[in-house]
Amino acid sequence: NAGVTQTPKFRVLKTGQSMTLLCAQDMNHEYMYWYRQDPGMGLRLIHYSVGEGTTAKGEVPDGYNVSRLKKQNFLLGLESAAPSQTSVYFCASNGGGGQVTYGYTFGSGTRLTVV
Amino acid sequence: AQSVTQPDIHITVSEGASLELRCNYSYGATPYLFWYVQSPGQGLQLLLKYFSGDTLVQGIKGFEAEFKRSQSSFNLRKPSVHWSDAAEYFCAGANTGGFKTIFGAGTRLFVKA
Repeated sequence: NAGVTQTPKFRVLKTGQSMTLLCAQDMNHEYMYWYRQDPGMGLRLIHYSVGEGTTAKGEVPDGYNVSRLKKQNFLLGLESAAPSQTSVYFCASNGGGGQVTYGYTFGSGTRLTVV
Repeated sequence: AQSVTQPDIHITVSEGASLELRCNYSYGATPYLFWYVQSPGQGLQLLLKYFSGDTLVQGIKGFEAEFKRSQSSFNLRKPSVHWSDAAEYFCAGANTGGFKTIFGAGTRLFVKA
């Protein structure tokens, strides 16, 4: 089925370890986003991309890096994980190109625990 | 600063009763507005969206929302709640289409038999 796929679904890291979360979409969407979800805070934008080869900072970018080498993939990296990065991470995408008139398609999320 | 506020952290309604979830926005101009639903352990699913025109918009699963410019509100409603509607609901807004959408903190809906 068409949509947004995130891997892995769960991960436990030790403080200081690194990891990469992968997001893949097969809808030919231009825009892709990484959000984190924490209780009582809704979703906060970490980084986003407006097209292949582009990335930009969102509301809470510190401690994260991203890359979009291919249009369908958007990677989120944690270079040195901290307990404050324990969260559920969501990838989303939508169309781009002029007026975007529809909402996001979300992945199912990655639950990350940093101990 | 642009923001979306959901005043209710959680709401409990009886099955078959009507539902209204509140959402207020703060934007310089009329934003694009959305409601999403999140079932436990799942991603968010778009319920409905408002861009312009008719201020009462219909969505999936029998939900509707009404845009009220004078009150800066975009409340979600359903005439009769089913147990399967128990989930968390997020109101969201954006300046241009759905680009860089801002989400409210969410309202968790509990449905009692």
